[in-house]
Amino acid sequence: DQQVKQNSPSLSVQEGRISILNCDYTNSMFDYFLWYKKYPAEGPTFLISISSIKDKNEDGRFTVFLNKSAKHLSLHIVPSQPGDSAVYFCAASDVGGSQGNLIFGKGTKLSVKP
Amino acid sequence: DTGVSQNPRHKITKRGQNVTFRCDPISEHNRLYWYRQTLGQGPEFLTYFQNEAQLEKSRLLSDRFSAERPKGSFSTLEIQRTEQGDSAMYLCASSLGDPFPYGYTFGSGTRLTVV
Repeated sequence: DQQVKQNSPSLSVQEGRISILNCDYTNSMFDYFLWYKKYPAEGPTFLISISSIKDKNEDGRFTVFLNKSAKHLSLHIVPSQPGDSAVYFCAASDVGGSQGNLIFGKGTKLSVKP
Repeated sequence: DTGVSQNPRHKITKRGQNVTFRCDPISEHNRLYWYRQTLGQGPEFLTYFQNEAQLEKSRLLSDRFSAERPKGSFSTLEIQRTEQGDSAMYLCASSLGDPFPYGYTFGSGTRLTVV
């Protein structure tokens, strides 16, 4: 049973507009959430994270929102740029139990069109 | 230091052969992780080292898989008697201590194809 779910396999957005990538989780013990970006033939690259004690974290064009009651998080990219085209993975961890083991979703492929 | 290095980048092997992959983490990182990614899936945790000690293993890591990290530096992942289902991208990552809030750094992976 998937504990981290990204239900949209792909998303297409126009350059300059907002990209919103969604992620749902089932395990209420998760206390950290991370987003990774992956280009073809490269390993995933860390983008941004959020602790379960927060509901928002912002870093430049990237903002992650966490809704614990809904077990839902989202990544907002504003404004979207063609270089943002990649696969985005949501990941979660129960730090107390796993010492850093991350559970990943299946990813969402973002295409930003010029 | 240019990041996490994995070798080889690609490996094609016949079913039943043994293969070994190497990972060189960022030099000051004491934690090292192995993940496996198959097509259309996210990375799946295999095992984790803190220094030279292997502290956690996933049930995905069957008896045919073994990982080592001698002297707490580079790590090797060996797969014995490979099967077609072992075909995947094998990713290594490292971190200095707790990987939150900055995540950990992945290498570019080793793509294994079992024919």
